[in-house]
Amino acid sequence: AQKVTQAQTEISVVEKEDVTLDCVYETRDTTYYLFWYKQPPSGELVFLIRRNSFDEQNEISGRYSWNFQKSTSSFNFTITASQVVDSAVYFCALSEGFTGGSQGNLIFGKGTKLSVKP
Amino acid sequence: KAGVTQTPRYLIKTRGQQVTLSCSPISGHRSVSWYQQTPGQGLQFLFEYFSETQRNKGNFPGRFSGRQFSNSRSEMNVSTLELGDSALYLCASSVTGDTEAFFGQGTRLTVV
Repeated sequence: AQKVTQAQTEISVVEKEDVTLDCVYETRDTTYYLFWYKQPPSGELVFLIRRNSFDEQNEISGRYSWNFQKSTSSFNFTITASQVVDSAVYFCALSEGFTGGSQGNLIFGKGTKLSVKP
Repeated sequence: KAGVTQTPRYLIKTRGQQVTLSCSPISGHRSVSWYQQTPGQGLQFLFEYFSETQRNKGNFPGRFSGRQFSNSRSEMNVSTLELGDSALYLCASSVTGDTEAFFGQGTRLTVV
């Protein structure tokens, strides 16, 4: 069965601290995609990254970086030098199905609420 | 470029009524997906439409239905509303479904 677990319900940090959001997934498929989304208070989900199961290279985008490890079924997200604007709920998601990269059938984790205090 | 537009933003309905929510995708996007977000269950996939055909369906009762029009706009309908249907309903569009998806701000439905 497919499942995404984000064990951290809430995290609170002080500005400029680094913070890592954990994501563990379960799937029987060999081809799958993993995603991270940010949900600010306004409600819409903002796409951050998509990674397919064959690409285990870590990715860095500005202050954001992602560590994908198939051996531990984890896809963790690190924010370096956090800022108040990073405060939001972050969701990790998994996609399987006939269009492996489809974002039309995402399985979401419960989300991690990040609060960055000045 | 206009984003994904969901209407209405807020809705209050009574148990037993039915409701229709609308989603206008980004121009050129042919895939539209719907999600339900509640504090208890989190984000759950409802269904995906691509070129007017339902391509994927989540695990929801038949009271939840949807459709997509030739201009890619989509509607979802919930009949015989229950208190537990109170949620934020999010719509996402993408060009083909396997490209980056953009979400609307959602419709917050309250059933009383």
